[in-house]
Amino acid sequence: GAGVSQTPSNKVTEKGKYVELRCDPISGHTALYWYRQSLGQGPEFLIYFQGTGAADDSGLPNDRFFAVRPEGSVSTLKIQRTERGDSAVYLCASSLYSGAEQFFGPGTRLTVL
Amino acid sequence: KQEVTQIPAALSVPEGENLVLNCSFTDSAIYNLQWFRQDPGKGLTSLLLIQSSQREQTSGRLNASLDKSSGRSTLYIAASQPGDSATYLCAVGGGAQKLVFGQGTRLTINP
Repeated sequence: GAGVSQTPSNKVTEKGKYVELRCDPISGHTALYWYRQSLGQGPEFLIYFQGTGAADDSGLPNDRFFAVRPEGSVSTLKIQRTERGDSAVYLCASSLYSGAEQFFGPGTRLTVL
Repeated sequence: KQEVTQIPAALSVPEGENLVLNCSFTDSAIYNLQWFRQDPGKGLTSLLLIQSSQREQTSGRLNASLDKSSGRSTLYIAASQPGDSATYLCAVGGGAQKLVFGQGTRLTINP
């Protein structure tokens, strides 16, 4: 595709619910990254995939967060038992290879009521 | 742990001025450094990528420099325009490939 796409663009859920956020990277990009951005802050790293495997998940805040990339392209970020503190913009980025320039999607704004 | 700081947090200048945005980082063992702009409610647009072996990169009216030894990078914007108004983010890439971001500089160019 032309760029990184993310769906949905907005997600409103209730505390305790499960949500899935999807990322479609640029075609041919082997590396994929998830970040989270709170209002007025820079993005913070969550997890990085090289191909199908999670090469670095050190940024995931706790075990309620999980991400997959089963075929080395599309990735899904899954959040269980959502909390109000999970409210943020979740950004996905991809790069041609690990360490190359990262290109970001428009983000998913998650609001937990 | 890498920490990235951007100064100033906000900047307002008249149209046509040249300006410099600053970024500093605590760990000089970086892989690359990337500058982004972010418009309100939008994602990040990559502006320039500087590899650790490079000193600067240029794209149009933008010039970014990197001094690893002092832990600093600057983004120079020439002949600023109202369309340059946005938040500018500096991000440092380390060996783990993740980017560590500063909090950004919110730039306003006044017509």
